[in-house]
Amino acid sequence: GENVEQHPSTLSVQEGDSAVIKCTYSDSASNYFPWYKQELGKRPQLIIDIRSNVGEKKDQRIAVTLNKTAKHFSLHITETQPEDSAVYFCAASPYGNKLVFGAGTILRVKS
Amino acid sequence: EADIYQTPRYLVIGTGKKITLECSQTMGHDKMYWYQQDPGMELHLIHYSYGVNSTEKGDLSSESTVSRIRTEHFPLTLESARPSHTSQYLCASRTGAGGYTFGSGTRLTVV
Repeated sequence: GENVEQHPSTLSVQEGDSAVIKCTYSDSASNYFPWYKQELGKRPQLIIDIRSNVGEKKDQRIAVTLNKTAKHFSLHITETQPEDSAVYFCAASPYGNKLVFGAGTILRVKS
Repeated sequence: EADIYQTPRYLVIGTGKKITLECSQTMGHDKMYWYQQDPGMELHLIHYSYGVNSTEKGDLSSESTVSRIRTEHFPLTLESARPSHTSQYLCASRTGAGGYTFGSGTRLTVV
């Protein structure tokens, strides 16, 4: 089955700097890669996703890149703000199958 | 508003009690999932369902059961609560191969 590894487990950045979180997956059949943000005491929320037929996707300050050959994908947050502080989870799945989540990254943006 | 709803939001219960955590979604999603999560930590899949009368066990061994008699309803039952069951329980749903929508969770404390 699919296995997703996520790094780093914690990340501290200064406000305005960029943050990068990386995930690797094992199942070459996986073709859907979402990212979730979970603020303290709240539910995980989908912030961006990418499918295997696309190499990069951007939404304002957030971007996700996918390297199918190396089986890894990354979340990039530019111009970080204090409200970006949260736990971020990556996930992967083959078409329609259940998502397999990474262990999460605690992002702290220091002002 | 179309969403996924979990009740109760918080529950404190004694050891040995039987409890049912409720999850309902009004989005017409066919796939539903239950996750266990300690605050800010990994998401562990407990059970999932791909449709009415379809249920499967997830990766986390758990003394719990689920049922899916109606598309919109996916309750989780603990037959005999133990302190080790103290955690947050998140319900999620999806349609097709898209991302999950999570409920707000039930925070369970077993004393």
